[in-house]
Amino acid sequence: DTGVSQDPRHKITKRGQNVTFRCDPISEHNRLYWYRQTLGQGPEFLTYFQNEAQLEKSRLLSDRFSAERPKGSFSTLEIQRTEQGDSAMYLCASSSDSYSGANVLTFGAGSRLTVL
Amino acid sequence: GQQVMQIPQYQHVQEGEDFTTYCNSSTTLSNIQWYKQRPGGHPVFLIQLVKSGEVKKQKRLTFQFGEAKKNSSLHITATQTTDVGTYFCAGEAIYNQGGKLIFGQGTELSVKP
Repeated sequence: DTGVSQDPRHKITKRGQNVTFRCDPISEHNRLYWYRQTLGQGPEFLTYFQNEAQLEKSRLLSDRFSAERPKGSFSTLEIQRTEQGDSAMYLCASSSDSYSGANVLTFGAGSRLTVL
Repeated sequence: GQQVMQIPQYQHVQEGEDFTTYCNSSTTLSNIQWYKQRPGGHPVFLIQLVKSGEVKKQKRLTFQFGEAKKNSSLHITATQTTDVGTYFCAGEAIYNQGGKLIFGQGTELSVKP
């Protein structure tokens, strides 16, 4: 499978617990994005990496959220002390540099988080 | 910060009718992209527009990028049930080229056979 892989696909947790999601991008893509999507809304930007460098993080993201891409390949998104408002689909996407600088995103199937 | 707005939020059509969704950005864009998300699925790239005033066609789908590079539209001629889904535009601000894509809230299309 040469697409973007996300794990787990579904996670149910109790409020206050920590959760971690993993994303494996397309191997030749050097950019990796995390988005969050709730029902009836568009994907909301969380953060993105170019290789291992985290270049931007949304100001909407609280300190409970952290993302890493240690070797410039897979990435993890951790949410600490989860709250019910964190329930959403967490989408990972990857893209490659292009001469025009325009990013075309390939999304994974997402990790659905339910916080009880 | 950069905002991307889409209208309408929902559109219900009879099969064979046309459909249009409109996208407006608060900032000038370096490019605009369109994605389709089927129910229960994830966004899938459709097309990218880069030039001011650009028009591109994909079979029954026509995409336009405004002259000021702040708005765009997607028009579907003679809708089919396979067109069902949510259509998102996503823009990359000209001052942040190569950076994040900001998505609109999408237009959900339902098609009655």
